[in-house]
Amino acid sequence: GAGVSQSPSNKVTEKGKDVELRCDPISGHTALYWYRQSLGQGLEFLIYFQGNSAPDKSGLPSDRFSAERTGGSVSTLTIQRTQQEDSAVYLCASSLGGSLYTGELFFGEGSRLTVL
Amino acid sequence: AQKVTQAQTEISVVEKEDVTLDCVYETRDTTYYLFWYKQPPSGELVFLIRRNSFDEQNEISGRYSWNFQKSTSSFNFTITASQVVDSAVYFCALSVPGYNFNKFYFGSGTKLNVKP
Repeated sequence: GAGVSQSPSNKVTEKGKDVELRCDPISGHTALYWYRQSLGQGLEFLIYFQGNSAPDKSGLPSDRFSAERTGGSVSTLTIQRTQQEDSAVYLCASSLGGSLYTGELFFGEGSRLTVL
Repeated sequence: AQKVTQAQTEISVVEKEDVTLDCVYETRDTTYYLFWYKQPPSGELVFLIRRNSFDEQNEISGRYSWNFQKSTSSFNFTITASQVVDSAVYFCALSVPGYNFNKFYFGSGTKLNVKP
């Protein structure tokens, strides 16, 4: 697509439920990032994919969080047994290349998650 | 360790005033990249500029200008004759190329309010 697409744009769920957030990066972008932005805060790094592999998962806050990427394209971030502190905007970004290349990140509009 | 500091949490100016957003970074690497992103109220981060560590030339793009000074580890952003549409949160970011991962370090952001 023309830009990074994320869905859903808004998700309201009850505490304890599982949620899946989807990111469709720009075609041809091999690098994909997930960030979390709590209300009025900066960007918290979650995970990075180069192709289908995730060299760095250190940002995932707990084992309730997982992510996968298939076909070097679409990525899904899954949060199990959601907690209220998981409420935030989850941002996905993609870029050309990977290691040793530092082009700009292109961001999606984010998925706003509200856990009641 | 890599770090980006944006000490100004929020700035308010009146339209047509000039405003400078400060960004100070920390890294021991000699090759790195600096970025500025704009996040308008709609939420999507928009890339503004990318600068590598070997290019200290200042850059001007319309009403926007950037001052990169390695001696003070700063990459400040000035908006001349600000407009209401400039109201947004602005993020400075640092990236250091790696062999398996390009991690982006974001500052906490500066919220700019431009009043008519």
